[in-house]
Amino acid sequence: DAGVIQSPRHEVTEMGQEVTLRCKPISGHDYLFWYRQTMMRGLELLIYFNNNVPIDDSGMPEDRFSAKMPNASFSTLKIQPSEPRDSAVYFCASSPTGDGYTFGSGTRLTVV
Amino acid sequence: SQKIEQNSEALNIQEGKTATLTCNYTNYSPAYLQWYRQDPGRGPVFLLLIRENEKEKRKERLKVTFDTTLKQSLFHITASQPADSATYLCALDGSARQLTFGSGTQLTVLP
Repeated sequence: DAGVIQSPRHEVTEMGQEVTLRCKPISGHDYLFWYRQTMMRGLELLIYFNNNVPIDDSGMPEDRFSAKMPNASFSTLKIQPSEPRDSAVYFCASSPTGDGYTFGSGTRLTVV
Repeated sequence: SQKIEQNSEALNIQEGKTATLTCNYTNYSPAYLQWYRQDPGRGPVFLLLIRENEKEKRKERLKVTFDTTLKQSLFHITASQPADSATYLCALDGSARQLTFGSGTQLTVLP
């Protein structure tokens, strides 16, 4: 298995633009998580899905953030409009049972 | 409020020695605790999971203990090697399966 695949690896965008981050989880993993990592706040859970259904989105910072999982093999995290404070590394992770997450390599987002 | 604290931001030890990292938590009642390793520019990698009814777990040179009375987990790397240098994160389960991570301890093993 190729693991959790995230794209793009790096994204530089101007403030106000829409940003879409993509994730392909490991096949057969029923749980998918989106995290954000910064030096100041560490790893923060944004939202997670179980069997493609959003379970907890209380970590989503504000309405500018949205996430979807249209099928078991694909999820997106969208920021619209983006702001400089959204600059961070965004990780997607999946798990078969909710234990022992497998993380992707992350997307480093820079909003200028 | 809930809090996860890892003993120090950075830990330097000599090659061959045992590294001991600490994870303390407050206002959690976790069913399990996990440890991850993160290298620069990479995502965290799962190492070990220990459940609340387990006192100790081992995997090769790694050992984890879990004391729910002290609300503490210790993570040991025996016979440490420079390749063990990384940031180590502990994580606790909240309600309904999601993990909350500590801020991590950056371990450097000196040759």
